[in-house]
Amino acid sequence: QKEVEQDPGPLSVPEGAIVSLNCTYSNSAFQYFMWYRQYSRKGPELLMYTYSSGNKEDGRFTAQVDKSSKYISLFIRDSQPSDSATYLCAMRYAAGNKLTFGGGTRVLVKP
Amino acid sequence: DAGVTQSPTHLIKTRGQQVTLRCSPKSGHDTVSWYQQALGQGPQFIFQYYEEEERQRGNFPDRFSGHQFPNYSSELNVNALLLGDSALYLCASSTAHRAGGTPYNEQFFGPGTRLTVL
Repeated sequence: QKEVEQDPGPLSVPEGAIVSLNCTYSNSAFQYFMWYRQYSRKGPELLMYTYSSGNKEDGRFTAQVDKSSKYISLFIRDSQPSDSATYLCAMRYAAGNKLTFGGGTRVLVKP
Repeated sequence: DAGVTQSPTHLIKTRGQQVTLRCSPKSGHDTVSWYQQALGQGPQFIFQYYEEEERQRGNFPDRFSGHQFPNYSSELNVNALLLGDSALYLCASSTAHRAGGTPYNEQFFGPGTRLTVL
């Protein structure tokens, strides 16, 4: 069983809809929780990070962390075709640089 | 600011050969991490270099080795290539020094080197 599980999709939504993404994890020692966006043939780009539990909002993006359930979510409001990409969740311990990634969810926003 | 750069962009090798990939970190960064991303998978941590030493390592065999130079750039070497080594190799840079007390040091990723082993 992988440490971080993520539905591979693809997730197809109409433009303007809310995109809902999530990951589950098994290691309770993870303290930092990140969401990356990766376009085809590009490196991952950090969208948001959250420390420990709680919610964080940045523009159209909202990240939620529920450590008791070992479950994290990312919501994208008013989705645009430019949001079409693969979304990767990643987690890290309090110390060190090692990021543990989920497998990624491919999202397609149709005009 | 050029961001993280990697070379070459693409590489084709045959089984048993050796390969060297290069990474230049973002300006002001002193820490480099390498990741392997197989097609359709998330990146997997290979190792991290800081102050020219390997500081952390993931579950990769000794065929994978690296080096960091005094200017913070880094190389990833893979010996005795296997078909399963075909992947996108990503370099990420960060700083060991936390600006403004921020507890999290963002890792900036380069575009990657796509390695194909035939």
